[in-house]
Amino acid sequence: DGGITQSPKYLFRKEGQNVTLSCEQNLNHDAMYWYRQDPGQGLRLIYYSQIVNDFQKGDIAEGYSVSREKKESFPLTVTSAQKNPTAFYLCASSIGNRGHTGELFFGEGSRLTVL
Amino acid sequence: QQQVKQSPQSLIVQKGGIPIINCAYENTAFDYFPWYQQFPGKGPALLIAIRPDVSEKKEGRFTISFNKSAKQFSLHIMDSQPGDSATYFCAAGREISSGSARQLTFGSGTQLTVLP
Repeated sequence: DGGITQSPKYLFRKEGQNVTLSCEQNLNHDAMYWYRQDPGQGLRLIYYSQIVNDFQKGDIAEGYSVSREKKESFPLTVTSAQKNPTAFYLCASSIGNRGHTGELFFGEGSRLTVL
Repeated sequence: QQQVKQSPQSLIVQKGGIPIINCAYENTAFDYFPWYQQFPGKGPALLIAIRPDVSEKKEGRFTISFNKSAKQFSLHIMDSQPGDSATYFCAAGREISSGSARQLTFGSGTQLTVLP
C-alpha cells in the first residue's frame, strides 16, 4: 500500500539532545513537508521540499533542520536550539506539480516529549 | 494576510445534529479550500475541498459552503454520528511562486464531539 511512514511514533528526549524523526513515502510525490501540531494552534509549517536536494524554511524553522537526499525520504532533526520541542510532528507529501491542488497526504505522526 | 481563522474551537452536538464549522481568510490569492479530518493519534486526512468558482459542494453528509465576497467558508455535517467525532481543520491553498506547488495554510482546528 502506498503511503507515508513516520518513525518513531513516540520519542523521549533529554534537554540538550538532538533527535531525528524519519519520514519515508512511496507515493512518488515530489513535494514533502514537516508540520508541528500543538493544541489549539493547528498545523504550523516547519520546512518543505519541492525537489531532491532543495528545501525551504516554513513559518517556524528555527531550531530545526532537514535534508532531502532522496525523493522518498525527508528526515527532520530537532536540535537543542529548539526552545519548546515537545509536540506532535506530522510529515506530509503532495504531488507537487504546478497547477495541482496541493492536496496533502499525511503520515501518522511522531510525538516528541522532552524530559 | 496569511492567516486562516477558524471557529469554534470546540463543538458538542447530539447524534443527528448538524454541526457547522466556520473559517475566514484575508488573502485573495488563495484559490483552494480543503477540509481535513483528524482522529486522535492519527494524521489528518482530506475530507472535502472546494474551489472559489463554486458556492457549494456536497460529498455524502459533508457540505462546504463558500462565500467569495465575504472571504468565508464553512463545513456542515448532516445527520452527524458519534463516528464523526474528530478534529476538523480548514485550510487555504495558493501557489507561493510561479511554477511552485500549492501551499496550504491551516486554521487552528475544531474539536467536534457527537454524543450518542
